[in-house]
Amino acid sequence: EVQLVESGGGLVQPGGSLRLSCASSGITLSNYEMNWVRQAPGKGLEWISYISSSGSNIYYADSVKGRFTVSRDNAKNLLHLQMNSLRAEDTAVYYCAREGVYGDYAFDSWGQGTLVTVSS
Amino acid sequence: QSALTQPPSASGSPGQSVTISCTGTSSDVGGYNYVSWYQQHPGKAPKLMIFEVSKWPSGVPDRFSGSKSGNTASLTVSGLQAEDEADYYCSSYAGSNNVVFGGGTKLTVL
Repeated sequence: EVQLVESGGGLVQPGGSLRLSCASSGITLSNYEMNWVRQAPGKGLEWISYISSSGSNIYYADSVKGRFTVSRDNAKNLLHLQMNSLRAEDTAVYYCAREGVYGDYAFDSWGQGTLVTVSS
Repeated sequence: QSALTQPPSASGSPGQSVTISCTGTSSDVGGYNYVSWYQQHPGKAPKLMIFEVSKWPSGVPDRFSGSKSGNTASLTVSGLQAEDEADYYCSSYAGSNNVVFGGGTKLTVL
């Protein structure tokens, strides 16, 4: 069974930084394209970032471009999201999600999410 | 990129069918056959129910079906069951390496 586990969330002040991680069990993360998707409290889903299996292709939503950086450590089977210059509107549950098993742009496995709260 | 438009709520009685719409533009839903649907129960992670407009991932019952006409995609849930009560989100590739989600529809089984 595929299991993705996010970590690193917490309370941070506006303008601060946080680094999220996504670990996997049951799969070799390096074989898959991965995404980060967030969900503000009581709101809908928002795609924010994609990284190819090799890490050579990376894309961001406009809302986080220039502030967030996605990376992967395939040797350690980890995915990361470095979040800088955080704003109140970045408050959300952040999910890592696997892509590619069922074609492009379909996210077939998700972690349980990690909550990021940006507040003073 | 604007979110896709979904009705905030939908409902049906057990055994009935209900259809949830997802309206975009020719730059997303209408332009690509990369529409997916996700089911999310409260406090849980989303679950992929439909990909590429109308295809089923392994393990998803065929009571769930997807279709698309022009800029609007639809998810139909047939033979409604109590466990189908959840939030449903559509998503679409929107070009330029972007994915856009709908605002979500809360499905209530009466």
